[in-house]
Amino acid sequence: EPEVTQTPSHQVTQMGQEVILRCVPISNHLYFYWYRQILGQKVEFLVSFYNNEISEKSEIFDDQFSVERPDGSNFTLKIRSTKLEDSAMYFCASSEALRRTGAYEQYFGPGTRLTVT
Amino acid sequence: GIQVEQSPPDLILQEGANSTLRCNFSDSVNNLQWFHQNPWGQLINLFYIPSGTKQNGRLSATTVATERYSLLYISSSQTTDSGVYFCAVAVRYSSASKIIFGSGTRLSIRP
Repeated sequence: EPEVTQTPSHQVTQMGQEVILRCVPISNHLYFYWYRQILGQKVEFLVSFYNNEISEKSEIFDDQFSVERPDGSNFTLKIRSTKLEDSAMYFCASSEALRRTGAYEQYFGPGTRLTVT
Repeated sequence: GIQVEQSPPDLILQEGANSTLRCNFSDSVNNLQWFHQNPWGQLINLFYIPSGTKQNGRLSATTVATERYSLLYISSSQTTDSGVYFCAVAVRYSSASKIIFGSGTRLSIRP
């Protein structure tokens, strides 16, 4: 069964460093997302991406964050200068094009645990 | 924005027991998903159920969209069912493609 993959599974970085989290969405999906979950809290939406541009972003997704689809398979989240509060689990998700009813489902990757020291 | 409330927040059961988890939402939705977050932090898709009833083994889910709630049933619980269960919704007719998560129900199954 097709699945979303993410690398690395765990990344430790020092405050102020840049990190790139990588995702390979399901191959026929057209919508891509990043979510994050701070330890013990609920999952929060960061950004959605369609047709090579951001379709929506949350207040969390400030100028320190960027997303890119550098080729036909990868989808990346970059944090330019990490802060302690960026420590979280980051999930990538993907979904097919909207159905006729407008409904869709999202498939999540296993997550990357980012620890900023 | 839409509010998603899950109850109970915590549930402790003996192995073999049945449980019902509830998700209430404050607006019409065109997507509702149930996830299980395992002890390793992975989010496992359980159901995509914007309306109606589905069953998968010991798990089943029902969404009554007109009354804005969904229920997840777990029968004959096993220790491997432990973890956090999240409900997540997307708002009907919204141009946004995000899904909004509830705060989860933490389920602990004791042997």
